[in-house]
Amino acid sequence: QLQLQESGPGLVKPSETLSLTCTVSGGSISSSRYYWGWIRQPPGKGLEWIGSIYYTGTTYYNPSLKSRVTISVDTSKNQFSLKLNSVTAADTAVYYCARANPPDSASGWFDPWGQGTLVTVSS
Amino acid sequence: EFVLTQSPATLSLSPGERATLSCRASQSVSSYLAWYQQKPGQAPRLLIYDASNRATGIPARFSGSGSGTDFTLTISSLEPEDFAVYYCQQRDNWPHIFGQGTKLEIK
Repeated sequence: QLQLQESGPGLVKPSETLSLTCTVSGGSISSSRYYWGWIRQPPGKGLEWIGSIYYTGTTYYNPSLKSRVTISVDTSKNQFSLKLNSVTAADTAVYYCARANPPDSASGWFDPWGQGTLVTVSS
Repeated sequence: EFVLTQSPATLSLSPGERATLSCRASQSVSSYLAWYQQKPGQAPRLLIYDASNRATGIPARFSGSGSGTDFTLTISSLEPEDFAVYYCQQRDNWPHIFGQGTKLEIK
């Protein structure tokens, strides 16, 4: 059964870089043909897609965040990562990683999801 | 600007009743619309993909319909565990957009 788990600091200072990693178990990122995505949810608010990556490194980003976001993949560790720079309080959210479906489609629905990790931006 | 609008914002019903949730797109998304259920403190759970296909393990009381700009999620007979927030998401246009959610609460 495919499982995803987010990890990283729960507290980031304003203007610094938020860094999270998603570890995939129960399946291989490099041998699958899926895109892998990051989605966030500010407290009490809705969902926002951040971006997605293929095992080859091909990425797609939300234009609203594109200037500050980098998503990368490490197939040797079966992980993909998110970096969001110049953070402000508005970036405080639960960050989820998820697999995009169907295979080979950068534009997909998300399933399964990680449990999510809360990142707070505060000094 | 592309928008997904969900209605109503809050729906108050009793167990056993039928729930009808709406998602309207500002431009056509063909059939590329998904529905998710989210309970407090949990990640969203995929219910329906491509408008009308139930995801693995989703009970038959959940059904989706629609195409183009108007979509509906129907729960035929509400169970206590169905009270949650529901989101729609389109994958026909960039960026992927989610609706703002409908909260289904117990009346």
